[in-house]
Amino acid sequence: KQEVTQIPAALSVPEGENLVLNCSFTDSAIYNLQWFRQDPGKGLTSLLLIQSSQREQTSGRLNASLDKSSGRSTLYIAASQPGDSATYLCAAYTDKLIFGTGTRLQVFP
Amino acid sequence: DGGITQSPKYLFRKEGQNVTLSCEQNLNHDAMYWYRQDPGQGLRLIYYSQIVNDFQKGDIAEGYSVSREKKESFPLTVTSAQKNPTAFYLCASSIERRTNEKLFFGSGTQLSVL
Repeated sequence: KQEVTQIPAALSVPEGENLVLNCSFTDSAIYNLQWFRQDPGKGLTSLLLIQSSQREQTSGRLNASLDKSSGRSTLYIAASQPGDSATYLCAAYTDKLIFGTGTRLQVFP
Repeated sequence: DGGITQSPKYLFRKEGQNVTLSCEQNLNHDAMYWYRQDPGQGLRLIYYSQIVNDFQKGDIAEGYSVSREKKESFPLTVTSAQKNPTAFYLCASSIERRTNEKLFFGSGTQLSVL
């Protein structure tokens, strides 16, 4: 049974810092891994989708990497801004999407 | 603007009452999903539909029912059999239920028990 874990559960950083969010999964036979952003009381917004054959995807200041053999994905946020404050969730797709519990990020000025 | 609309944003249920959450999409997507989100837990799949007039149970379907009479609409009914319905409910859609499809989410409905 696939389990997805995100560490840390919460993170508070000053503006401008580069930061890394971690996602680990127990079953490496995934088709893809997705990263989402969720603002309080809102739905999820897809940030990046990495296919199993890919190593990384980039969108602006965001870079997500995937290492299937170790069961890990990281989301790198460069030059963080207060507007990046949100909860970030990863989800691994085997026969269905399994979500992690998220990392709650706060970026303070 | 294309997107997914969930209504209402807040909903209150009395004991023994059935309530229905609305989900409408104008993205022309075939696949639609319902997830439940509880504090400190990941999203859990309730039901999904790959095509009109067809739907499948997810991991926590007990106490819920759905219909898919139109491509655009996938309402979720929380029945009185669901003993712990308080949660944030999210509807999502994708072009197809395939491995490389991004999911698009609505803004959610917070259901609480009176």
